[in-house]
Amino acid sequence: IAGITQAPTSQILAAGRRMTLRCTQDMRHNAMYWYRQDLGLGLRLIHYSNTAGTTGKGEVPDGYSVSRANTDDFPLTLASAVPSQTSVYFCASSDSGTGGYGYTFGSGTRLTVV
Amino acid sequence: GQNIDQPTEMTATEGAIVQINCTYQTSGFNGLFWYQQHAGEAPTFLSYNVLDGLEEKGRFSSFLSRSKGYSYLLLKELQMKDSASYLCAVVDSNYQLIWGAGTKLIIKP
Repeated sequence: IAGITQAPTSQILAAGRRMTLRCTQDMRHNAMYWYRQDLGLGLRLIHYSNTAGTTGKGEVPDGYSVSRANTDDFPLTLASAVPSQTSVYFCASSDSGTGGYGYTFGSGTRLTVV
Repeated sequence: GQNIDQPTEMTATEGAIVQINCTYQTSGFNGLFWYQQHAGEAPTFLSYNVLDGLEEKGRFSSFLSRSKGYSYLLLKELQMKDSASYLCAVVDSNYQLIWGAGTKLIIKP
């Protein structure tokens, strides 16, 4: 089934631990994004990648890193988790990095940092 | 700064019509999206407007006025399954999506 797969679905993580959220798409979309969604704040962009081999910082990049070694995978790493990183994380992709194309979202990862 | 405003919550009756408004102030404009998000699920694409006017798609329509920085999503013949959050997002001059906080729509029988 074409789409975006995120893993894990949910996770409880001790503060200070390192964690990688996985995101894989099979639609050959060139652009990929990581968002966090918090109640009352809407979706906020963490990092993005317009094409394999390139990445950029979004609105809230601190404490997060990404890599884009190939078209399909776009992992998000929390080097040392803090409670303020408790959120729902969505990975998304689009056929173009220039807007106008609908974003396809993964089902999300619910992360709780304690 | 960039800002997108939507009502936090709206309530409507099954079978009725509801209009969800979105106003925006962004650095440039390259289109506006509406997404639907059911509780605990991912957002799904509803509509995209880049030119002024009304785009109709079944029970859902979306309107855009670029001069007023304004859009609305119109939902007709409301069904219980339309209970969800509706997210407005604008593509800015850097072709990044700026998201509103969403409008939670509650449908009552």
